[in-house]
Amino acid sequence: SYELSQPPSVSVSPGQTASITCSGEKLGNKYTSWYHQRPGQSPVLVIYEDNKRPSGIPERFSGSNSGNTATLTISGTQAMDEADYYCQAWDSGTVVFGGGTKLTVL
Amino acid sequence: QVQLVQSGAEVKKPGASVKLSCNTSGYTFSNYYLHWVRQAPGQGLEWMGVFNPIGLSPAYTQKFQGRVTMTRGTSTTTVDMELTSLRSEDTALYYCARGSTVSGHPYFDSWGQGTLVTVSS
Repeated sequence: SYELSQPPSVSVSPGQTASITCSGEKLGNKYTSWYHQRPGQSPVLVIYEDNKRPSGIPERFSGSNSGNTATLTISGTQAMDEADYYCQAWDSGTVVFGGGTKLTVL
Repeated sequence: QVQLVQSGAEVKKPGASVKLSCNTSGYTFSNYYLHWVRQAPGQGLEWMGVFNPIGLSPAYTQKFQGRVTMTRGTSTTTVDMELTSLRSEDTALYYCARGSTVSGHPYFDSWGQGTLVTVSS
């Protein structure tokens, strides 16, 4: 079965750029979406179709996808961005999520 | 605005069944698939399957085949998800999520608030 791998944790200082990777075989051939989830809240879509932002998502969120790796980039990271982040793709009729990355802003 | 409102928390004994509801509003129900995703305590997201709003058969991930059923609820804009033969490992927060697609690839643009299911003897 298809698998997506994410680093368990990423740390970033406020105002700096955070990058969260998501790896899977030939992931660049699929569309990747990203969600953030704050403690006690439902997930929220922040990127879809590799690099598109839903309305209401700040411009500091961007995405890319090539080869075997998709990347979520948060520019000018703010304290409110501290959350768990999940990548998601579709393979052979199944939705697959990455294991999640805890982003700490310190 | 788009809203997905889920039914309340459930406590079940091992071997029992649970039926959860997801009441949708604010959009044309027939235009979007409705997915179910669960999250065990402290764990990541796990996709369970998808309900097709125009009457075609739901699709379930292999892990839950034979134990899960997704159907239209009592309201025309409600989807129910029933999980049978519950075990302790099914203790989780269950989300419904609206699925949009791009070239057949789904993503989830709205989520319910989640329903906590606790399985305990």
